Amino acid sequence: GAGVSQSPSNKVTEKGKDVELRCDPISGHTALYWYRQSLGQGLEFLIYFQGNSAPDKSGLPSDRFSAERTGGSVSTLTIQRTQQEDSAVYLCASSRGPAGIQNTEAFFGQGTRLTVV
Amino acid sequence: GDSVTQMEGPVTLSEEAFLTINCTYTATGYPSLFWYVQYPGEGLQLLLKATKADDKGSNKGFEATYRKETTSFHLEKGSVQVSDSAVYFCALIDDYKLSFGAGTTVTVRA
Repeated sequence: GAGVSQSPSNKVTEKGKDVELRCDPISGHTALYWYRQSLGQGLEFLIYFQGNSAPDKSGLPSDRFSAERTGGSVSTLTIQRTQQEDSAVYLCASSRGPAGIQNTEAFFGQGTRLTVV
Repeated sequence: GDSVTQMEGPVTLSEEAFLTINCTYTATGYPSLFWYVQYPGEGLQLLLKATKADDKGSNKGFEATYRKETTSFHLEKGSVQVSDSAVYFCALIDDYKLSFGAGTTVTVRA
């Protein structure tokens, strides 16, 4: 597609429910990132995919968070048993190059605003 | 690990004023440096970048120079407009991970 697409754009869920957030990267982009932006905070790295594998999951806050990527394309971030502190904007980005190509640009989606009530 | 520290806001300016947002970084390697901007209601987009020491990135009247000796990448614009009101993020990439500063909210008054 023309850009990184994320869905849904907004999600309100009850505490304790599971949610799935979807990211469609730019076609041909092998690298994919998930970030979290909490109110008044910067961007917190969650996970990095190169192709279908995730060599860096170090930013996932707890075992309630997981992510997968299939076919080297679409990625899903799943949050189980959501808590109110999970409320944030979840951003996805993709870039063309594999790891080690330093000056490739990362393109961001519009984000999914998650509200846990 | 790699990190980015940028000037905290919010910053409020009058139109045509000079803007500078300080950014310093810590990295073990030789990172590329970026400024991203997030306009109200929009997604994050790349404003400018520099890939090696002494490079100057520029776009839309904004400039930033990669200073290895001071590990800095300060953003400047000589004459801001109301349309420059946004949140600005300094970032670096070393190997594969983009690390961001906390963001600086800039409001330009007419």
